[in-house]
Amino acid sequence: GENVEQHPSTLSVQEGDSAVIKCTYSDSASNYFPWYKQELGKRPQLIIDIRSNVGEKKDQRIAVTLNKTAKHFSLHITETQPEDSAVYFCAARGWGSYIPTFGRGTSLIVHP
Amino acid sequence: ETGVTQSPTHLIKTRGQQVTLRCSSQSGHNTVSWYQQALGQGPQFIFQYYREEENGRGNFPPRFSGLQFPNYSSELNVNALELDDSALYLCASSPGTSGSGSYNEQFFGPGTRLTVL
Repeated sequence: GENVEQHPSTLSVQEGDSAVIKCTYSDSASNYFPWYKQELGKRPQLIIDIRSNVGEKKDQRIAVTLNKTAKHFSLHITETQPEDSAVYFCAARGWGSYIPTFGRGTSLIVHP
Repeated sequence: ETGVTQSPTHLIKTRGQQVTLRCSSQSGHNTVSWYQQALGQGPQFIFQYYREEENGRGNFPPRFSGLQFPNYSSELNVNALELDDSALYLCASSPGTSGSGSYNEQFFGPGTRLTVL
C-alpha cells in the first residue's frame, strides 16, 4: 500500500519568513495530493491540492510543487503570519482509490 | 461552517465496552469516510460508505463497523474497546464516491474525542 513520509515534524519560523514542508510517497499510481491545515482542537481543512498532471499550483501565499519522478511534493508558505500556526498534513491518493494516506503531520509555529 | 457535525464531542469508556459515534453529512453529500487520528498522528482511514454500502476499508479489525442511513447520516461502532482505541474520530463527507475516479473534496467534521480507560 501507499506510504507517505512527511518532514519536518516541527517547524519554527519568524513571522514573515517562508516555510517549506516536504512529503514523499511510495505508490507511483498516486496522482492526487491534498494538503490539510488543522488548528488546535479543530477539524482538518483542505488548503490546497495538486494533481499529477500539474507540477506547481499557487494560491496567494501558499504553493505546492510536485515531482512525480522523485515521488515527492512540497508545501510552501511565504510571508508567514502567526495565524498560519497549525498542524499541516499532506496526503496521497490514486485515481479511483478511496483510501487516502496521510503523512504524520508538521507542527508549524510562527513567532510574532 | 462546513455543515458536517459529529456527536458526542467527547466520550469516556472502559476497556471491553462498546461505543457508537455519529456523523451528519453535509447537505447533498452521499459519501462518508471515517478516520482515526491518534495523538500526534495523521488521520488513518477506517472505511467509507457510499449510498448506504461500505465502499472501501482500511487496515482496521472487524470490531470497527459502520452504517450509513438513507439520509446519509452515519455511525461508527467499535466493539470490545481497547486502550489503543483512544483517539480523535473524524468523519468526512463528500458529494460523490472517491472510487468513481473523481477528486471530490472531503469536508471533515469536528471529531469525537474517545478516551478508553
